[in-house]
Amino acid sequence: EAQVTQNPRYLITVTGKKLTVTCSQNMNHEYMSWYRQDPGLGLRQIYYSMNVEVTDKGDVPEGYKVSRKEKRNFPLILESPSPNQTSLYFCASGSPGQAIYEQYFGPGTRLTVT
Amino acid sequence: QQQVKQSPQSLIVQKGGISIINCAYENTAFDYFPWYQQFPGKGPALLIAIRPDVSEKKEGRFTISFNKSAKQFSLHIMDSQPGDSATYFCAALGTSNYQLIWGAGTKLIIKP
Repeated sequence: EAQVTQNPRYLITVTGKKLTVTCSQNMNHEYMSWYRQDPGLGLRQIYYSMNVEVTDKGDVPEGYKVSRKEKRNFPLILESPSPNQTSLYFCASGSPGQAIYEQYFGPGTRLTVT
Repeated sequence: QQQVKQSPQSLIVQKGGISIINCAYENTAFDYFPWYQQFPGKGPALLIAIRPDVSEKKEGRFTISFNKSAKQFSLHIMDSQPGDSATYFCAALGTSNYQLIWGAGTKLIIKP
């Protein structure tokens, strides 16, 4: 089954404790992206990657890191999480160019930072 | 910063009625205008998309109407059903950077 998987689905952590949210896709997509979803703000892009070893900042990259060492994986790293990073996070993947309008989303990771 | 403004923020429609969600954009350099549907506890999923050289696209009960001169596009859900209850996002794909600009979302509730 073609899918984007994220782990963990739920995470409660404390301020300053480094964490990683994994994302993996089995569709051989070149494009991958991370979003955060907050009430009233819609989806805001954190980072994206057009291909292996190529990453770029989105609209809200502060406090986040990513890496793209393999085509299928695109982990999101919070080195020192803060309460304002409490949010619902989505990973997405897609084909490059104009086909990026069609993105496939993972199930989401709900992160709470206390 | 480019924006896509979506309205209303929430919408309640009776079963069998027409649901209408509107979006407006500021920049003309967009290639595609997709609509995504998100059910609670799930990630968004592409519902329907339109190119700017087309004024209307219909897929089943879902129709996108596009007004290029007014820089507006809308989603119409005919014969709305309780199963259509979800959050809907409009978006616009930038021509030069191939990045999606998202609307803030509309929570649609269809009352039985």
